[in-house]
Amino acid sequence: DIQMTQSPSSLSASVGDRVTITCQASQDISKYLNWYQQKPGKAPKLLIYDASNLETGVPSRFSGSGSATYFTFTISSLQPEDIGTYYCQQSDNLPFTFGPGTKVDIK
Amino acid sequence: EVQLVESGGGLVQPGRSLRLSCKASGFTFGNYALSWFRQAPGKGLEWVGFIRDKSYGGTTEYAASVKGRFTISRDDSKSIAYLQMNSLKTEDTALYYCTRDTSTLEYWGQGTLVTVSS
Repeated sequence: DIQMTQSPSSLSASVGDRVTITCQASQDISKYLNWYQQKPGKAPKLLIYDASNLETGVPSRFSGSGSATYFTFTISSLQPEDIGTYYCQQSDNLPFTFGPGTKVDIK
Repeated sequence: EVQLVESGGGLVQPGRSLRLSCKASGFTFGNYALSWFRQAPGKGLEWVGFIRDKSYGGTTEYAASVKGRFTISRDDSKSIAYLQMNSLKTEDTALYYCTRDTSTLEYWGQGTLVTVSS
């Protein structure tokens, strides 16, 4: 199975800050990496697919980049509504696996 | 509007069975694969399995942790997908979500909670 790691596991930042989360895959997954946001008590929400494509309706302050084994997710200007847990997920090989998540809150 | 509504969760004893349902609306159900994921309390997300649409033979794939115990099926006439869970273990306790498609998961249900406990 492909193992996904994320860093950091949690972060606290101020409104307006630039926030970056990294995700590493244990083997080459090409561009097949998605990012989800999950708020407490809610289902995950797709933000970025295929490493860098912004899902329709998602604010442009969210972005993703990377390929192969190393990926980054960025919030260019953190907003109060962005608090939650962010997960990366590889969709290259079964079983589809998720990173452990990064919990984001406001300082 | 695409909607997925899970049901069938509850409290069940170890070793027993439970069947979850995922009722879909807002899209042509038969044209899409359906997946199941789960999330144990306070934990991360885990893929459970999926069922392909009929054009791909309606075949299924499962995570190793549930293979041989769980079965995914679908009734395209009712726009419902099922997750039959047998020989349940305490570690199967989780919120179970269904999603449309298999890999890029744009649509999720609200989840149904399964608690396996004696």
